Amino acid sequence: QVLLQQSGPGLVKPSQTLSLSCAISRDSVSTNSAAWNWIRQSPWRGLEWLGRTYYRSKWYNDYAVSVRSRMTIIPDTSKNQFSLQLTSVTPEDTAVYYCARGRGDDYEAFDIWGRGTVVTVSS
Amino acid sequence: QTVVTQEPSLTVSPGGTVTLTCASSTGAVTSGYYPNWFQLKPGQAPRPLIYSTNNKHSWTPARFSGSLLGGKAALTLSGVQPEDEAEYCCLLYYGGSWVFGGGTKLTVL
Repeated sequence: QVLLQQSGPGLVKPSQTLSLSCAISRDSVSTNSAAWNWIRQSPWRGLEWLGRTYYRSKWYNDYAVSVRSRMTIIPDTSKNQFSLQLTSVTPEDTAVYYCARGRGDDYEAFDIWGRGTVVTVSS
Repeated sequence: QTVVTQEPSLTVSPGGTVTLTCASSTGAVTSGYYPNWFQLKPGQAPRPLIYSTNNKHSWTPARFSGSLLGGKAALTLSGVQPEDEAEYCCLLYYGGSWVFGGGTKLTVL
């Protein structure tokens, strides 16, 4: 059973950088058959896909337009995990953040999710 | 700005059948949008139900099915159970990015 274990702070000050990690068990961040996604959920925006990283001979990243200028996803093969960095956060970035696997030829099956990290942006 | 639209709310009687839909502002939803469906309950991570239009995960109850209907992705619940009361959210693929729908709150009454 593949597991995703999330870690990171629950409180971030405005204008600072939010950093979260997602450790993968029983799968590999560098597998050719999955993409590794970040998603958030808030009462005002619902579920929002933020971005993904995947490996196909080299690393690729895709980001949602809404966060593209502020977001970076970093794969770490030594720790078998991937991380999210979101810069210049505001209270609107307050949400539950999830990591999730998308498997399949086009990474189209979102099957395994982390348990979520509640992140509050407040001074 | 791509928008994915779902019915805000639906009500179904126990044992009944209900269909939820998922529309794209770009036009008809096809299999190439790889529709996914999730069940949302408070305090829990989204529970995946359907992927690639009509494929079930190993844990998806048989009463849930996915399809394309009238240019939309659709999720049908047949023989609805009280525990199916939840929010349901779809997810569509737009060539390098994914967009969630706003969700449908399903009441079993």
